[in-house]
Parts: sequence; C-alpha cells; structure tokens
Amino acid sequence: ILNVEQSPQSLHVQEGDSTNFTCSFPSSNFYALHWYRWETAKSPEALFVMTLNGDEKKKGRISATLNTKEGYSYLYIKGSQPEDSATYLCAFSNFGNEKLTFGTGTRLTIIP
Amino acid sequence: NAGVTQTPKFQVLKTGQSMTLQCAQDMNHNSMYWYRQDPGMGLRLIYYSASEGTTDKGEVPNGYNVSRLNKREFSLRLESAAPSQTSVYFCASSRQWETQYFGPGTRLLVL
Repeated sequence: ILNVEQSPQSLHVQEGDSTNFTCSFPSSNFYALHWYRWETAKSPEALFVMTLNGDEKKKGRISATLNTKEGYSYLYIKGSQPEDSATYLCAFSNFGNEKLTFGTGTRLTIIP
Repeated sequence: NAGVTQTPKFQVLKTGQSMTLQCAQDMNHNSMYWYRQDPGMGLRLIYYSASEGTTDKGEVPNGYNVSRLNKREFSLRLESAAPSQTSVYFCASSRQWETQYFGPGTRLLVL
C-alpha cells in the first residue's frame, strides 16, 4: 500500500495571512500528484494535477509546487480568506496504476 | 451536465439488511470509483472500474460488490450490512489517468 502523508493535520490561520502545507509521497515510479479542496458537507473538488518535476500551478491565490525526486508537494495560499476554510487533500498515482491514493488531508480554518 | 450523481443521499439500515448505492455520470468517462470516508482515515478506495465490463478491488473491498452496468452507471452493493460499514460513500469518475470528479456522497448508518 502506497503511503501519502500530509502535514499538518490541521491549521488555524488569521485572515489575510499566507500559509502552506505539505504532501509527501513515494518518489519511485511517480505518475501524477493531485490536489483537491473539500468543503464541509460537500464533495472534493479538483485544484491541480501535476506530473513533471518542478511543476508549479496557480489558481488565483492558491499555488502548488512539485518535487518528484524527493517526493513532496507544497500547497500555498496567499492572503487567506474565510472562504479558504476547507480540508485540502493530496492524492498520488504511479505508472501502471490509475488509482489514486489519498492522504488524510490538512484541515484549514481561517480566523476572521 | 449533472456531473456525478448518487442516490440515495442518506440511508439507515439494520445489521444484516442489504442495499445498493447508485452512481451515474454524464461526462462520458471510462473510469469510475467508489470510496468510503471515515474520520481520520481520509478517502479509501473500495472498488473501481477502468471501463464498462471491468471492475477491480481497491483498498477495502470486503463486504461490498459492484456492477458496472454500462458506461454511465456504477453501483455498489452491501449484501449484509454491518455497523463497520457506517460511513460516507463517494462515487467518482474520470478520464483515464486524469482528475476525478466526485458525486455529492451517500451517508449510511448501519444500526
């Protein structure tokens, strides 16, 4: 079973501050790393899919980087807003297997 | 487009009862998945289907069966429900290797 770890498990951030969290995954046989945003009582929504070492993706105030050689990805949120409160999931797939293995998520709470 | 739809939204079962969770997608995706979500465990794959007519076990398949009825529909069946199957169940679909799109979830309580 592939192990995907996310840290921290939870995070409280003041509105307006920037923050980041980590996803680590097995670096061998890597295919893709996904980030999802999951609001309470809703279903996960895709943020980014990254496949190449050094990839950087951006959507508004949220961005992500990927290091496949060392097996980690960072998600950054700039100038946090209350609507950013959610659980952020990362998921990993490797060659020959399109199934995703999910981390347990980082639960982000923005304090107004 | 409705995306991924799931029925029912909520269900209460007694131990030993059976039920089928329905999932349908209208995005012409080949791949479909069933996950369960439990506190502190994240999303765990129960079964998936890479194409119509094929299914494969995921991480936690025991106690479940699936049917890929056609390209649109992928159902999950609990033959004899147990309290350990109390969970939130999510269906998802995707093009092969690409982003997964999730349904709204089914909340199941087994007494």
